[in-house]
Amino acid sequence: AQKVTQAQTEISVVEKEDVTLDCVYETRDTTYYLFWYKQPPSGELVFLIRRNSFDEQNEISGRYSWNFQKSTSSFNFTITASQVVDSAVYFCALSRYNTDKLIFGTGTRLQVFP
Amino acid sequence: GAVVSQHPSRVICKSGTSVKIECRSLDFQATTMFWYRQFPKKSLMLMATSNEGSKATYEQGVEKDKFLINHASLTLSTLTVTSAHPEDSSFYICSAWTPDSFYNEQFFGPGTRLTVL
Repeated sequence: AQKVTQAQTEISVVEKEDVTLDCVYETRDTTYYLFWYKQPPSGELVFLIRRNSFDEQNEISGRYSWNFQKSTSSFNFTITASQVVDSAVYFCALSRYNTDKLIFGTGTRLQVFP
Repeated sequence: GAVVSQHPSRVICKSGTSVKIECRSLDFQATTMFWYRQFPKKSLMLMATSNEGSKATYEQGVEKDKFLINHASLTLSTLTVTSAHPEDSSFYICSAWTPDSFYNEQFFGPGTRLTVL
């Protein structure tokens, strides 16, 4: 069975702090995809990144970076120099294929205070 | 990326009424659409997979007769919540994709917030 665990329910930081959101997944598939989405108060899901199981390279996009480690089944997300606009709920998700149904984690609510 | 719309964005209804939510792919033809449900401050849970021209596949625990899904065209899937009750109040989100799409990925709609009084 597939499962995604986001152990951090809520995180509060002060602006400009770095913050890491943890994601641990379980799957028996050898091929799978991992995703991160941001959900602001409006509710709309904002796609942040997709990573397939064969690509363990870490990725950096501006202030965002992702650390994928198959050995620990983790796909952690770091925001550097956080900003108030980063306040949202962040979901990690898993799927068998790029276009298959997503198994979401329970989400981490990030609050960035000025 | 491709655009998926949902209508209405917000609906309030009385208990016992039926509510229809539309999910449209605006610039591509979606052979598959997924319907997710999100309770307040909770995660998103898949309700069903909708394939154009065939019956939807429901996840375990989802009542087929209560949540009617119709994917009658390649650009439209509808979710009808029949005889809605307050416990059906939730945020409903759809996603859509097609293997023929240039993007080869799924796109989410903006969601529909249902409140049943």
